[in-house]
Amino acid sequence: EAQVTQNPRYLITVTGKKLTVTCSQNMNHEYMSWYRQDPGLGLRQIYYSMNVEVTDKGDVPEGYKVSRKEKRNFPLILESPSPNQTSLYFCASSFGTSNEQFFGPGTRLTVL
Amino acid sequence: QKEVEQNSGPLSVPEGAIASLNCTYSDRGSQSFFWYRQYSGKSPELIMSIYSNGDKEDGRFTAQLNKASQYVSLLIRDSQPSDSATYLCAVNMEYGNKLVFGAGTILRVKS
Repeated sequence: EAQVTQNPRYLITVTGKKLTVTCSQNMNHEYMSWYRQDPGLGLRQIYYSMNVEVTDKGDVPEGYKVSRKEKRNFPLILESPSPNQTSLYFCASSFGTSNEQFFGPGTRLTVL
Repeated sequence: QKEVEQNSGPLSVPEGAIASLNCTYSDRGSQSFFWYRQYSGKSPELIMSIYSNGDKEDGRFTAQLNKASQYVSLLIRDSQPSDSATYLCAVNMEYGNKLVFGAGTILRVKS
């Protein structure tokens, strides 16, 4: 089944404790992206990747890191999480930005 | 001006009516436009994509694009309670090669 998977689905952590949210797709997509969704603000892009070893900042990259060592994986790293990073996070993938993006199920992160 | 703007709603329509959702965008060079539906607590799913001026129909859904006016809309005919969701407009911006989402319009279909 073609899909984007994210783990964990839910996470409660404390300020400053490093965490990684994994994202994996099995559709051989070149383009992958991370979004956060907050009430009233819609989906805001954090980072995106056009292909392996090619990443770039989106609109809200501060406090986040990403890597793209393999085509299928695009982990999101929070080196020192803060409460303002409490949000719903989505990973998405597609063949390109002019194509349909497929979304993962979401990760609800709470930083205390 | 926001890059992609939508009325947040909620838009309330009775069952069986036509729901009309609107979206405007700032980048005149944009070429790809998408409508996603998102149920509460779920991930967005694509309903329609449109790339050229005019109408595109798929079942009860019609997407309309007017590049001159920088306007894209989604019509839902014979609205059902199951259509109640948040509808996200997304535009592929020519600059930066990125997909930008509007904040979404909440649709409520009353039975």
